[in-house]
Amino acid sequence: DSGVTQTPKHLITATGQRVTLRCSPRSGDLSVYWYQQSLDQGLQFLIQYYNGEERAKGNILERFSAQQFPDLHSELNLSSLELGDSALYFCASSEGLKNIQYFGAGTRLSVL
Amino acid sequence: GEDVEQSLFLSVREGDSSVINCTYTDSSSTYLYWYKQEPGAGLQLLTYIFSNMDMKQDQRLTVLLNKKDKHLSLRIADTQTGDSAIYFCAENYGGATNKLIFGTGTLLAVQP
Repeated sequence: DSGVTQTPKHLITATGQRVTLRCSPRSGDLSVYWYQQSLDQGLQFLIQYYNGEERAKGNILERFSAQQFPDLHSELNLSSLELGDSALYFCASSEGLKNIQYFGAGTRLSVL
Repeated sequence: GEDVEQSLFLSVREGDSSVINCTYTDSSSTYLYWYKQEPGAGLQLLTYIFSNMDMKQDQRLTVLLNKKDKHLSLRIADTQTGDSAIYFCAENYGGATNKLIFGTGTLLAVQP
């Protein structure tokens, strides 16, 4: 168990809908990262937050947004969902800005 | 550019050693990682190596780093059927972000 908790484990929804994925980092970790794993793109970095502030953006679509709350948990919001958004979404956390990243078990999103 | 390369597939017999190779691009990476992903599961951090090290040993795992050639390898001694999984090499991209760049993953199949 990495100590990073992601909910829900599975999410099935329809095109055009909006979903929220939740991540609780390891105790004491200030950085949270979101990654997407898909068959065609592999594992891709989406966005990083550190202590509530956005630190870096990767290949994140404009339809996607994230935030980190004062208790350090993070949410990834995906809107206007398309079939191609079906993927495994991982959250990772690290103690600081440059430390080792530990991953959660992921949320599997299926858009039908 | 951001490119981490791995061979796609490796098959070994139980009890043999497995060697999974990876080449990376960013010479300023602080850490290089190996993650394991079993079917339907999350990313488990197996081991990591600081960029100023040449070798790291952790029980059955040996990581070798050749910075000159930007080559990383993971050796698993006495490979077991439970080691069957996809192994991802990753580097933390330099600069202001700590994002990880992942390889395509190597599927390790262990034959009994």
